[in-house]
Amino acid sequence: DIQMTQSPSSLSASVGDRVTITCRASQSISSYLNWYQQKPGKAPKLLINGASSLQSGVPSRFSGSESGTDFTLTITSLEPEDFATYYCQQTYSTPCTFGQGTKVEIK
Amino acid sequence: QLQLQESGPGLVKPSETLSLTCAVSGGSIISSRSYYWGWIRQPPGKGLEWIANIYHSGTTYYNPSLESRVTISVDTSKNQFSLKLNSVTAADTAVFYCARQDSGAWYSFDSWGQGILVAVSS
Repeated sequence: DIQMTQSPSSLSASVGDRVTITCRASQSISSYLNWYQQKPGKAPKLLINGASSLQSGVPSRFSGSESGTDFTLTITSLEPEDFATYYCQQTYSTPCTFGQGTKVEIK
Repeated sequence: QLQLQESGPGLVKPSETLSLTCAVSGGSIISSRSYYWGWIRQPPGKGLEWIANIYHSGTTYYNPSLESRVTISVDTSKNQFSLKLNSVTAADTAVFYCARQDSGAWYSFDSWGQGILVAVSS
């Protein structure tokens, strides 16, 4: 299985901060990398697929990028509704696998 | 708008079979686009684990870590798909989500059910 390693596992930030979450794949996954946001008690919500394609309705402060096997989710200016847990997922090979999650908390 | 709704018992005894159904509304499981229908689980306080997918034709895909205990099936006449997980233990306690996977969009899961908590306990 392809291992997805997210960092950090948690972070504290303030409204207006720039936040960066990294996901590293254990092998090449091309651009088959998706990002999800999950709030407590809710299902995950797809934010970005194909490493950098923003889903319809997702604010433009969210963006994704890739460099080899390293992928980054950036929130340019954190809003109160962005405090949540974020997961990366590779869908390059079966089984698809998720990172362990990054919890973004209020400082 | 597509909606997915999980249903099934919230409590299952150890060694028994967990059975869940996902009803799809607002769209057809049979679609000209290549959508797959899947199950993902999340133990309390932990991360996400993909369990299985099915195409409307009945083609199935399983996570090798669970394959020996899992069966996924589809009922196109009822626009729903189902999951069976047998020989459950406490380690199978989790929120189970059903979701749609779009092969035309990097195989991402773009629609999710609200999830159903299934506890395994005697």
